[in-house]
Amino acid sequence: TQLLEQSPQFLSIQEGENLTVYCNSSSVFSSLQWYRQEPGEGPVLLVTVVTGGEVKKLKRLTFQFGDARKDSSLHITAAQPGDTGLYLCAGENNNNDMRFGAGTRLTVKP
Amino acid sequence: DTEVTQTPKHLVMGMTNKKSLKCEQHMGHRAMYWYKQKAKKPPELMFVYSYEKLSINESVPSRFSPECPNSSLLNLHLHALQPEDSALYLCASSQVPTITGELFFGEGSRLTVL
Repeated sequence: TQLLEQSPQFLSIQEGENLTVYCNSSSVFSSLQWYRQEPGEGPVLLVTVVTGGEVKKLKRLTFQFGDARKDSSLHITAAQPGDTGLYLCAGENNNNDMRFGAGTRLTVKP
Repeated sequence: DTEVTQTPKHLVMGMTNKKSLKCEQHMGHRAMYWYKQKAKKPPELMFVYSYEKLSINESVPSRFSPECPNSSLLNLHLHALQPEDSALYLCASSQVPTITGELFFGEGSRLTVL
């Protein structure tokens, strides 16, 4: 089973600040996903990155897939309180075996 | 609104009870999943059904018994649970193969074992 490590585990920042969250593995993934989970709800997919070196933007969120397809980052610009939540990266080992990283719990204070 | 529906949303049971969690999706997905999530932890994979057949069982104790009666339904039968089994149980579905890697999650069933 390929493992995904996320850092930092916890992040508390003020509204308007920028932040970056990292997802790393020693293994190569064909794709990586980023999910966001709010309390009492299931995770919701934000993005899938597939190609090494790929950069995807979703409004204030920028996702990057490492050239070697072993790592990914999520950068949030001008964070807002509504960005508060648990950010999870996930990867598929094979045949629908989807595993999650430990997650980054983000708190954005007004 | 999520397209994966889980019932009940909350469940409280004693250690001798028998109960079931239910999950339903009508997106035509042929893979369905059960994840367990403890507070402040990520979801942990329990079971995967692919084309209604159990394809992954992550060494889950036998007091958890999954069932996939058809391509739209997934159940998790619970019997003789322990207090440490209290958690949020998440159901998800996806295409086979996932193609984009996207799982569609329900809102979860929050289980408390007394």
